Amino acid sequence: QKEVEQNSGPLSVPEGAIASLNCTYSDRGSQSFFWYRQYSGKSPELIMSIYSNGDKEDGRFTAQLNKASQYVSLLIRDSQPSDSATYLCAVNQGNRDDKIIFGKGTRLHILP
Amino acid sequence: GAGVSQSPSNKVTEKGKDVELRCDPISGHTALYWYRQSLGQGLEFLIYFQGNSAPDKSGLPSDRFSAERTGGSVSTLTIQRTQQEDSAVYLCASRPFPGRQFFGPGTRLTVL
Repeated sequence: QKEVEQNSGPLSVPEGAIASLNCTYSDRGSQSFFWYRQYSGKSPELIMSIYSNGDKEDGRFTAQLNKASQYVSLLIRDSQPSDSATYLCAVNQGNRDDKIIFGKGTRLHILP
Repeated sequence: GAGVSQSPSNKVTEKGKDVELRCDPISGHTALYWYRQSLGQGLEFLIYFQGNSAPDKSGLPSDRFSAERTGGSVSTLTIQRTQQEDSAVYLCASRPFPGRQFFGPGTRLTVL
């Protein structure tokens, strides 16, 4: 079974600081990587996708991918209390763009 | 336009009863996924439909679980002889291909 691993947290970060969320995956064939945010009692919502090595920035969010190390991360700059949520890392399985496997998520708590 | 809808939003049932959960995907989305999320856990892949292809049932936890998708649109997830460990939120997602997943609000199932 291909796996996606995340630290469950909670990760506590002061407001205004950078939150760093990490994810490792076991399938070397994976090509598509996603970060979802899930507020308590709500459905996941996609916040970032990344497909090639390096950094991808969107507003306060930066996704980083290192396929050699099988590692993907999400940085949140200028963290806000509204960023407090569970962040789910998701990865496609091998050469199947259609099958997406999720990690268990990291709970992030931004301290006001 | 309308998003992914699921019904019922909440379902309480007695152990041993059968339940049916419904998902209405976004019109035109060819792919449909079912996931299960237990309390404090990540998303567990259950089953995936893509167009007219045979569904990927590799995530179904037991033969008590089945799903169908009629006319390439609405999907029903059926759990027979429910057990307490089936209690979870069942999430449906649809996706244009290629494209990203859009999640429904989920059905919270409680088995007493």
